[in-house]
Amino acid sequence: DTEVTQTPKHLVMGMTNKKSLKCEQHMGHRAMYWYKQKAKKPPELMFVYSYEKLSINESVPSRFSPECPNSSLLNLHLHALQPEDSALYLCASSQGGQPQHFGDGTRLSIL
Amino acid sequence: DQQVKQNSPSLSVQEGRISILNCDYTNSMFDYFLWYKKYPAEGPTFLISISSIKDKNEDGRFTVFLNKSAKHLSLHIVPSQPGDSAVYFCAALFYGSSNTGKLIFGQGTTLQVKP
Repeated sequence: DTEVTQTPKHLVMGMTNKKSLKCEQHMGHRAMYWYKQKAKKPPELMFVYSYEKLSINESVPSRFSPECPNSSLLNLHLHALQPEDSALYLCASSQGGQPQHFGDGTRLSIL
Repeated sequence: DQQVKQNSPSLSVQEGRISILNCDYTNSMFDYFLWYKKYPAEGPTFLISISSIKDKNEDGRFTVFLNKSAKHLSLHIVPSQPGDSAVYFCAALFYGSSNTGKLIFGQGTTLQVKP
């Protein structure tokens, strides 16, 4: 059982759609992360939230918009995505220098 | 510019033997090194880590060795079991001025343990 829950597991959307990916953890972790993983590639960091504030943005295009409504939730809002944005999107959380715990990801396909 | 490299895309070993997965890095400022295991359709699962000031850490069947002068680390799994078959990612953590740090992953090595 994963302690970081991501929904949906799969998402297919058109380039003009707006959708959101959701991530939830109840471990009391105060740092949360979004990663993007393309096929046969390693996960790449996109955003880091620390105590509900955005602390790292790895020069991600503005069509990806993160949001941290509270300490347990992390959203990734998607708008006007491109086919090359098709990937596995992973959420992770951590606390106090401990290793990051990952969810099982959302597999996103852009038509 | 790949800061963490796993040069072997795949490794096959017999059950009961030792598996050795290797990882090289270029940045001397990394604070920790971690190994994650990933099964298909699941997220990465943390296995074991080592601080940059240590040279060995052991947890059950898993041991990680760090050679700072060579900027090289390795994960030893002994004895290997068929359930260990997965993709193994080496990752390096850099804090800098951040309190959360940045995790940089290697390309991954697919381990197959044959019964």
